[in-house]
Amino acid sequence: GAVVSQHPSRVICKSGTSVKIECRSLDFQATTMFWYRQFPKQSLMLMATSNEGSKATYEQGVEKDKFLINHASLTLSTLTVTSAHPEDSSFYICSAMGRFEQETQYFGPGTRLLVL
Amino acid sequence: AQKVTQAQTEISVVEKEDVTLDCVYETRDTTYYLFWYKQPPSGELVFLIRRNSFDEQNEISGRYSWNFQKSTSSFNFTITASQVVDSAVYFCALTGNQFYFGTGTSLTVIP
Repeated sequence: GAVVSQHPSRVICKSGTSVKIECRSLDFQATTMFWYRQFPKQSLMLMATSNEGSKATYEQGVEKDKFLINHASLTLSTLTVTSAHPEDSSFYICSAMGRFEQETQYFGPGTRLLVL
Repeated sequence: AQKVTQAQTEISVVEKEDVTLDCVYETRDTTYYLFWYKQPPSGELVFLIRRNSFDEQNEISGRYSWNFQKSTSSFNFTITASQVVDSAVYFCALTGNQFYFGTGTSLTVIP
């Protein structure tokens, strides 16, 4: 149980294009989903927290107009990197927290984004 | 303020050796949770354990064991008889109003 998927696993795009990353909880309802960014050899940096049906809460320094997050259902959240630039290249990881398991986040496999 | 410190940046051990990964935390909350996650080279974080602040019992799961000492604010992780497949980055995390991750310890097990 507690499986979280992410799609795509890897994406290469040209500068200026938008990229959408999907995060799905496959076998549980995720009341809260989180989006993280991880640079090589560094820890995870929380970008935003999203609750189903409401607007995401962004961490300080994260541009909400650049990183659009939608949590339309209890099993799906999407992160759209708008007008991506090379500095947006990173490893993006989502996690999901279920209604009944206390505080535990289950992580997706991550998406490697490379912007040329 | 909440904070998680993993002082060991990188550790190398020879296969079959035991290794302990340290985690020290700071929090003002009376109720909190502590976690360990494993991140192998593939990148996916694997949940290893959750510990409630009221439960100071040590836990053993196969070759893995965890020592929770509230008095020293530590939640250390020991791998017994390490194997090459244990090579990964290990993160300790603490809940507060968000997840606080340590900076991770990169473990390399040499065959």
